[in-house]
Amino acid sequence: AQSVSQHNHHVILSEAASLELGCNYSYGGTVNLFWYVQYPGQHLQLLLKYFSGDPLVKGIKGFEAEFIKSKFSFNLRKPSVQWSDTAEYFCAVKIYNQGGKLIFGQGTELSVKP
Amino acid sequence: NAGVTQTPKFQVLKTGQSMTLQCAQDMNHEYMSWYRQDPGMGLRLIHYSVGAGITDQGEVPNGYNVSRSTTEDFPLRLLSAAPSQTSVYFCASTRPGTSNEQFFGPGTRLTVL
Repeated sequence: AQSVSQHNHHVILSEAASLELGCNYSYGGTVNLFWYVQYPGQHLQLLLKYFSGDPLVKGIKGFEAEFIKSKFSFNLRKPSVQWSDTAEYFCAVKIYNQGGKLIFGQGTELSVKP
Repeated sequence: NAGVTQTPKFQVLKTGQSMTLQCAQDMNHEYMSWYRQDPGMGLRLIHYSVGAGITDQGEVPNGYNVSRSTTEDFPLRLLSAAPSQTSVYFCASTRPGTSNEQFFGPGTRLTVL
């Protein structure tokens, strides 16, 4: 069965530190990739997505992610985090031609210390 | 557009009780889905629907029923609540086409005693 793995369950950083959250998926075919963010007490919001083309995608709030097909990875990055980035981050994969179903990773909780 | 709305926001049930979680969207999306969110497990798909009258099971369907009589509404029914169903439930609808972006509701926090 297809799965999505996020390596870090909880990451603690100081403001201005750089961020990289890992995401790997297990499926050899065509996929669409997403990162969602959930701020405390709120619902999930889309950060960025990859469908095709340039494997480096830029999202909102200075986030970016790079799709490396050979590594089945879609890691999320931000050069300098802010306290307001404290949230839970979810990687998700949609298998091409399997309708709108998303497979989510376990989530990574990010805490940014001011 | 209100987007995806869910009611109630909070609910406490006793074991064995039944209830329906409501979900509605005003974006005319065909695809809708229900997830449960549990610590350390991400979001797991319970049921989904590709259009009015069509539903299918997701990863964790046991103990839940759904129906889709209209494009707008996609209620989730708990037939006989169990403590293992204590969770946060999210409804989502998906924009069609290549975007396939999912829009999430605000969630329902359910506690089963």
